[in-house]
Amino acid sequence: DTEVTQTPKHLVMGMTNKKSLKCEQHMGHRAMYWYKQKAKKPPELMFVYSYEKLSINESVPSRFSPECPNSSLLNLHLHALQPEDSALYLCASSHLPGGRAEAFFGQGTRLTVV
Amino acid sequence: AQRVTQPEKLLSVFKGAPVELKCNYSYSGSPELFWYVQYSRQRLQLLLRHISRESIKGFTADLNKGETSFHLKKPFAQEEDSAMYYCALSYYGGSQGNLIFGKGTKLSVKP
Repeated sequence: DTEVTQTPKHLVMGMTNKKSLKCEQHMGHRAMYWYKQKAKKPPELMFVYSYEKLSINESVPSRFSPECPNSSLLNLHLHALQPEDSALYLCASSHLPGGRAEAFFGQGTRLTVV
Repeated sequence: AQRVTQPEKLLSVFKGAPVELKCNYSYSGSPELFWYVQYSRQRLQLLLRHISRESIKGFTADLNKGETSFHLKKPFAQEEDSAMYYCALSYYGGSQGNLIFGKGTKLSVKP
């Protein structure tokens, strides 16, 4: 299994809702990432987990809360989002923390905040 | 600061023409560089990395440390090469690492 699986594929939420994005990989990778990608823009790093510990938080607002329950799963909890948070949220994983190996990306969750 | 620059937002060529997508980077250490491709409605995927020096789908890229460049080349473009291409830099410092992307170049191959 060489895939990173993200659920849901699409999500519409109101500004007062609480929702979670999920990401799963079974490649034994010890680094997992959340990226945000706006239309026609490159992915922007949000969080990096290395060995299930948060190692990088790129000054992301607290309305985004990551969680890594185990080495295969990565969640992104969303609360009180703004319309400008609408974007494609990508999960990725790599064998080595630090990105010094190929990163495998999921299909993404397309989030719309209304 | 680490940076990846892709100067062209859009590159349009005809089928069979040579293609070169430019990438320059800024990093004081020893970089690892990648090209990622995103076809329409598909996930971002690795095309090639500089350390493997392989050719994928006819594309090659050579790391030029003197010019801090990692340009992607293909001698004869195909319509199926139309996609968004991102150059990416991986670096590692202390206990943390990162993978950063250039702004991307949209390649359009016309019949």
